[in-house]
Amino acid sequence: GENVEQHPSTLSVQEGDSAVIKCTYSDSASNYFPWYKQELGKGPQLIIDIRSNVGEKKDQRIAVTLNKTAKHFSLHITETQPEDSAVYFCGPGGGADGLTFGKGTHLIIQP
Amino acid sequence: NAGVTQTPKFRILKIGQSMTLQCTQDMNHNYMYWYRQDPGMGLKLIYYSVGAGITDKGEVPNGYNVSRSTTEDFPLRLELAAPSQTSVYFCASSYSRTGSNYGYTFGSGTRLTVV
Repeated sequence: GENVEQHPSTLSVQEGDSAVIKCTYSDSASNYFPWYKQELGKGPQLIIDIRSNVGEKKDQRIAVTLNKTAKHFSLHITETQPEDSAVYFCGPGGGADGLTFGKGTHLIIQP
Repeated sequence: NAGVTQTPKFRILKIGQSMTLQCTQDMNHNYMYWYRQDPGMGLKLIYYSVGAGITDKGEVPNGYNVSRSTTEDFPLRLELAAPSQTSVYFCASSYSRTGSNYGYTFGSGTRLTVV
């Protein structure tokens, strides 16, 4: 099965700075790489995803980059704002096996 | 459009009691999932279903049972509750197995405490 590691487990950044969270996976058959955001008291919500035939995808202040050779992908958040404070999960997957979620990164935006 | 609805939101059970966590979705998704979330441990898959009448075990199925008699409903049954089942439970649904079309839609969770 897929082995997923997410780093760091906690990340504290000043408001306005950038944040980067990395996800490493083991299954070379994985072909879909999403990031989910979980706000306090809510279920996770998809914020951005990328497929294996694309190296980078951007959506306003967030971006995801994929290095399929090294088996890792990263979430980049620029110009961080208080509402970015949340727990972020990566969840690589593909085919019939669905998604395997990482343990999460608690992002704290310091005012 | 309600999405995924979970009930109850909170529950306290005594050891050995049983209960059913309800999950309903109105998006006509074939795929449904139950996850448990423990602090610092991420989301672990308990059971999933690829359509009405079809269910399969996930990573941590022991102590739980599911059924899927309709597309909309996917209840999770806890028999003989144990303190190790204290957790937050999330139900989710998706259009495809990986959610690569529109992602997984999660409910707001059920916080269960077993004492």
